[in-house]
Amino acid sequence: NAGVTQTPKFQVLKTGQSMTLQCAQDMNHEYMSWYRQDPGMGLRLIHYSVGAGITDQGEVPNGYNVSRSTTEDFPLRLLSAAPSQTSVYFCASSYSRGGQGGGYTFGSGTRLTVV
Amino acid sequence: AQSVTQLDSQVPVFEEAPVELRCNYSSSVSVYLFWYVQYPNQGLQLLLKYLSGSTLVKGINGFEAEFNKSQTSFHLRKPSVHISDTAEYFCAVSAASGGSYIPTFGRGTSLIVHP
Repeated sequence: NAGVTQTPKFQVLKTGQSMTLQCAQDMNHEYMSWYRQDPGMGLRLIHYSVGAGITDQGEVPNGYNVSRSTTEDFPLRLLSAAPSQTSVYFCASSYSRGGQGGGYTFGSGTRLTVV
Repeated sequence: AQSVTQLDSQVPVFEEAPVELRCNYSSSVSVYLFWYVQYPNQGLQLLLKYLSGSTLVKGINGFEAEFNKSQTSFHLRKPSVHISDTAEYFCAVSAASGGSYIPTFGRGTSLIVHP
């Protein structure tokens, strides 16, 4: 089924470990974003991309890296995990930059716990 | 930069009663406005959007919202709720021209429908 696929769904990391959250979409969307969701904070933008090879920082980029080598994939890397990065992470994509077409399509999320 | 304020963090309501979830936004440019719904342990789904034209927009599952430019509001309404409407609802704004075109989300309103 067409959509945004995030892996893994759940992950527990120890402080200082690194990992990559995977995000793939098969809708040929140019615009992709990573958000984190914390209780009472809504969704906050981490990084976004407007096409292959082009990325930029969002509201809370510290501690995260991204790259976009293909239109389909937009992985999020945690270089040295910290307990403050415990959160639910969502990847989203859209064919229009403001989501004015069909809005942004969201993945089902990755629930990350850093101990 | 734009911002979104969802005025209620939680809205309890009885089944078959009407409901209104409030959203105010701030932006120096013209905007697109969205409401998304998140069911437990899932990603966000688009409910409805306002791009231009008629200020009353209808979405899925019987929801509608009204754009009020003078009040900078975009409140979500449903005349009769069901148990299955229990979910988290997010208001979002993106710039139509200039400004930040990546959607900014509010903190969410938890709609709790009691039998």
